[in-house]
Amino acid sequence: EAGVTQSPTHLIKTRGQQATLRCSPISGHTSVYWYQQALGLGLQFLLWYDEGEERNRGNFPPRFSGRQFPNYSSELNVNALELEDSALYLCASSLGRLEELFFGSGTQLSVL
Amino acid sequence: AQKVTQAQTEISVVEKEDVTLDCVYETRDTTYYLFWYKQPPSGELVFLIRRNSFDEQNEISGRYSWNFQKSTSSFNFTITASQVVDSAVYFCALSGGLGAGNNRKLIWGLGTSLAVNP
Repeated sequence: EAGVTQSPTHLIKTRGQQATLRCSPISGHTSVYWYQQALGLGLQFLLWYDEGEERNRGNFPPRFSGRQFPNYSSELNVNALELEDSALYLCASSLGRLEELFFGSGTQLSVL
Repeated sequence: AQKVTQAQTEISVVEKEDVTLDCVYETRDTTYYLFWYKQPPSGELVFLIRRNSFDEQNEISGRYSWNFQKSTSSFNFTITASQVVDSAVYFCALSGGLGAGNNRKLIWGLGTSLAVNP
């Protein structure tokens, strides 16, 4: 069974640009979560989608947004990129209300 | 406020040594969950264990064991007879109980980087 897949693996952007990160959950999982792992800050919760709707949001500015598609895959969009947005962005999925999260390998975003 | 503290930033051991990773948490919830995840160099987070706040039994899984003590708000993780493949960053995390509006908002520690040397 395929795990959580994320694309691209690496993304290099310049300040002010927009970035789009993609995530495909494990087949059958309806919940998708996005986390930011910045150096020295640990994992920070960004967004949680379930059944196509945004269920919860972390303490991030509105330029961080996303959506979940009917097939439960998800996109994370970051507008007006800033240097401090450079981080590993991890996507996770879960089945229903279980708390066990399965994580992808992440997208390393570098903002120059 | 909820908080997870992993005081050990880096640990280095020699293969076959036992090693304990500390995790201390803060929460006002009476129902909550605690987790440990492993992040090998590949970056992918691997789920290790989930423990709910009503179950204080220690758990052992092969060389891994977990000691949950509500009295000290700790959920420590021990690797017995460590191996080079155990080298990774280990994260402890906390989430609110089911039914809470933010129950999916895992609060993470900063992680402990474990290096097991041959």
